Amino acid sequence: NAGVTQTPKFRVLKTGQSMTLLCAQDMNHEYMYWYRQDPGMGLRLIHYSVGEGTTAKGEVPDGYNVSRLKKQNFLLGLESAAPSQTSVYFCASRKTGGGNEQFFGPGTRLTVL
Amino acid sequence: DQQVKQNSPSLSVQEGRISILNCDYTNSMFDYFLWYKKYPAEGPTFLISISSIKDKNEDGRFTVFLNKSAKHLSLHIVPSQPGDSAVYFCAARSLTGGGNKLTFGTGTQLKVEL
Repeated sequence: NAGVTQTPKFRVLKTGQSMTLLCAQDMNHEYMYWYRQDPGMGLRLIHYSVGEGTTAKGEVPDGYNVSRLKKQNFLLGLESAAPSQTSVYFCASRKTGGGNEQFFGPGTRLTVL
Repeated sequence: DQQVKQNSPSLSVQEGRISILNCDYTNSMFDYFLWYKKYPAEGPTFLISISSIKDKNEDGRFTVFLNKSAKHLSLHIVPSQPGDSAVYFCAARSLTGGGNKLTFGTGTQLKVEL
């Protein structure tokens, strides 16, 4: 099992450009999450999904969109990148029932110039 | 408003001694608490958790204590090892809202010195 994988690992964008971050999990988990981590801020939830075809807003959703067309994939889109979106992005997944722990991917470091 | 607070950004401990990492929360609707460990350039990994109906949970060298009346939890690592050097995040799950969302603290950088 690869667990949770994220593509790409690093990316540099110019202000106004768009991009999509891909998260994939092979654990058949229902729940998936996108977080951003900034210095001194911990991890903040951007968007999440409780199942295929569903998405919901988290704590800091502005400027981002998401899609969950397949159960194993959760995409995070930036339509018009801003320097304030420079951050490390983590995807996580969680199974229904059982423990409450979320399993995290290795992260994507995004810089917006 | 930070609902989960880790007031110590860093902690330095000698190898073999006890490391105590603290976490305070304000939301009384939190019912489950977790600790995650994070190495540089990696994602957080789950370490240990505790339900709000318990006051202690132990797993090997790691013990989490929960004091509900004080809205405080702590992670004890005994004995501390150099490989424990990492950032530790406290997280909490709320009974309200859907999605089993977690609220994270800002993290404590633990350094275990030889």
